[in-house]
Amino acid sequence: KNEVEQSPQNLTAQEGEFITINCSYSVGISALHWLQQHPGGGIVSLFMLSSGKKKHGRLIATINIQEKHSSLHITASHPRDSAVYICAVRGEETSGSRLTFGEGTQLTVNP
Amino acid sequence: GAVVSQHPSRVICKSGTSVKIECRSLDFQATTMFWYRQFPKQSLMLMATSNEGSKATYEQGVEKDKFLINHASLTLSTLTVTSAHPEDSSFYICSALDGNLYEQYFGPGTRLTVT
Repeated sequence: KNEVEQSPQNLTAQEGEFITINCSYSVGISALHWLQQHPGGGIVSLFMLSSGKKKHGRLIATINIQEKHSSLHITASHPRDSAVYICAVRGEETSGSRLTFGEGTQLTVNP
Repeated sequence: GAVVSQHPSRVICKSGTSVKIECRSLDFQATTMFWYRQFPKQSLMLMATSNEGSKATYEQGVEKDKFLINHASLTLSTLTVTSAHPEDSSFYICSALDGNLYEQYFGPGTRLTVT
């Protein structure tokens, strides 16, 4: 079982739909990252969370430390949101701040 | 926001040659930088962790003599793929840790193709 699991693996939505991507982890963490990777390959860090909720534009990220679960929500989705979304966690006792990555969720938003 | 740059963005080289990839933190000092490798449709795989002024720590299975990492300053780390072979063709991504904010920022990646 992977330490970080994301669901769904693939998600197709129509423009305007509300989207949720889930991330569950099995270890204690000091922080959780949500990353976005476009087809060109470059990675953008969307959020870093250690508790609660963060919002940036149409993106919202929440984390429940007790349940070891985080969600990334996209409101009013747009085709330009199509990308791979990756959840990554930094463990409580890790040397060098190593991140453990989920497998990613491929999101496709159709016009 | 903080920016991490990589150069070059893509490189094609012949088998047997060496390639150097640069990773720079543009507006913060990166005490720690990470080098990742990503194969198509797969997640990032950590290759090594480098701290400024000290030797890099390589992950199991990563050849330190083949993937030379130098972190000579707080804003620059380099990865040199020595005697490259076609199987080294991959997408290489660096990441820099802002020690003050404890935030990790990713570079845009370098696509290496070895012919």
